Amino acid sequence: SQTIHQWPATLVQPVGSPLSLECTVEGTSNPNLYWYRQAAGRGLQLLFYSIGIGQISSEVPQNLSASRPQDRQFILSSKKLLLSDSGFYLCAWSPTVERNTEAFFGQGTRLTVV
Amino acid sequence: DQQVKQNSPSLSVQEGRISILNCDYTNSMFDYFLWYKKYPAEGPTFLISISSIKDKNEDGRFTVFLNKSAKHLSLHIVPSQPGDSAVYFCAASGTGGFKTIFGAGTRLFVKA
Repeated sequence: SQTIHQWPATLVQPVGSPLSLECTVEGTSNPNLYWYRQAAGRGLQLLFYSIGIGQISSEVPQNLSASRPQDRQFILSSKKLLLSDSGFYLCAWSPTVERNTEAFFGQGTRLTVV
Repeated sequence: DQQVKQNSPSLSVQEGRISILNCDYTNSMFDYFLWYKKYPAEGPTFLISISSIKDKNEDGRFTVFLNKSAKHLSLHIVPSQPGDSAVYFCAASGTGGFKTIFGAGTRLFVKA
C-alpha cells in the first residue's frame, strides 16, 4: 500500500532563517506531488505541484521554492523565512495526471516563524 | 479570487440529525468535486467525490449532491455522529484533475 511521510511535524524558526521540509511517498511510482499551506482560519492553498522529476509548477508568488530531486521526494524550501510564512504545510500525492482522482495527504508540518 | 467557496465557517448539529455542508464554485471548467475531512494537526482525508456527469453520489451515511447550473454542491451526513466533528473541505478540479482547489472549510460540531 502507498504511504506518505512528511517531516518534521512541528518547527519553530526565527525570521530570516532557512527552511527545508521533506516529503516522501512509498508504494507508488511517478506520483503527482503537491505542497499546500493552510493559514490560520483559511482553506488549503496550493503552493506547488509536480508531475515529474525536476518539473515544478508554482501557483503563487512567494518566499518559498520546491524541488523534486527524486521521483517520490518533494522538498519545500526557503532561503529566508518571513513571519507570514507561518502556517500548516501539507504534502500530498495523487496517482496520475490522466484522470480525476483524490489526493492523499501527509500529516502536515506546523511551522511557526518567530 | 476564491474559486471554491464555503460560506459557513462552522455548523452545529445534534447527534442523529442531518448535517448539510454547502459549497459554491465559480469556475465552469471544474468537472470533479471532492470532500475531505480534517482533524486538528492531521492531514485531510478523502471522504467522497462526484463527477460533473452525475448529480448525486452516495457512500454510506455520506451523500454529495451537485447542481451544475447553480454551481453548487452539498454534503449530507445522516445520521450525524460525534465522531463526524471535524473540518470539512470542499475541493474542485478541472480536466486531468492534477490541480485541486480547496475551499476555506466548514467546522462541523456534532453534539451528543
